[in-house]
Amino acid sequence: DSGVTQTPKHLITATGQRVTLRCSPRSGDLSVYWYQQSLDQGLQFLIQYYNGEERAKGNILERFSAQQFPDLHSELNLSSLELGDSALYFCASSVEGYGDTEAFFGQGTRLTVV
Amino acid sequence: DQQVKQNSPSLSVQEGRISILNCDYTNSMFDYFLWYKKYPAEGPTFLISISSIKDKNEDGRFTVFLNKSAKHLSLHIVPSQPGDSAVYFCAASGSYGGATNKLIFGTGTLLAVQP
Repeated sequence: DSGVTQTPKHLITATGQRVTLRCSPRSGDLSVYWYQQSLDQGLQFLIQYYNGEERAKGNILERFSAQQFPDLHSELNLSSLELGDSALYFCASSVEGYGDTEAFFGQGTRLTVV
Repeated sequence: DQQVKQNSPSLSVQEGRISILNCDYTNSMFDYFLWYKKYPAEGPTFLISISSIKDKNEDGRFTVFLNKSAKHLSLHIVPSQPGDSAVYFCAASGSYGGATNKLIFGTGTLLAVQP
């Protein structure tokens, strides 16, 4: 158990809909990262928050947004969903938002868009 | 632009032999490198890391080697065990003030250790 909790574990929704994925980081971790893993793809970095502020951005679509709340949990919002958004979405957390610390991953949310 | 590359999608080795997984990177600002292991239906788990000030880091059966001039790192597993069968991801990041604070992952290598 990494200490990072993601909910829900599975989500099935229709195209055009909006969903929210939730992540609770490990106790004491200030930084939260979101990654997408599509079929046969590696882990694609979406966005990072550090202590409530956006720290770094990857190839995140404009239809996607995220935020980190004062209690440090984070939510990833996906809207106007398309079939191609079906993927595993992982959240990770680390103590710092800097480079020389490892990140610990949750078990992921499997999103299926039908 | 794939800044971290794992050119071998899969690798098969016999139990007890050495597994060598390779990773190349393009961004010279990366100065911290990590290996993660991922089982199906689970999140990646941290395995071992190396700072750019070192060229080798060892932890039990796992050793990571870094060749900065070649922008190449490798993970050696000796001896390989069937439980090591998983997807291995290489990741890289920059330190504070560097080019990036985010972890950039490779596409992964599926290791199969045959009994």
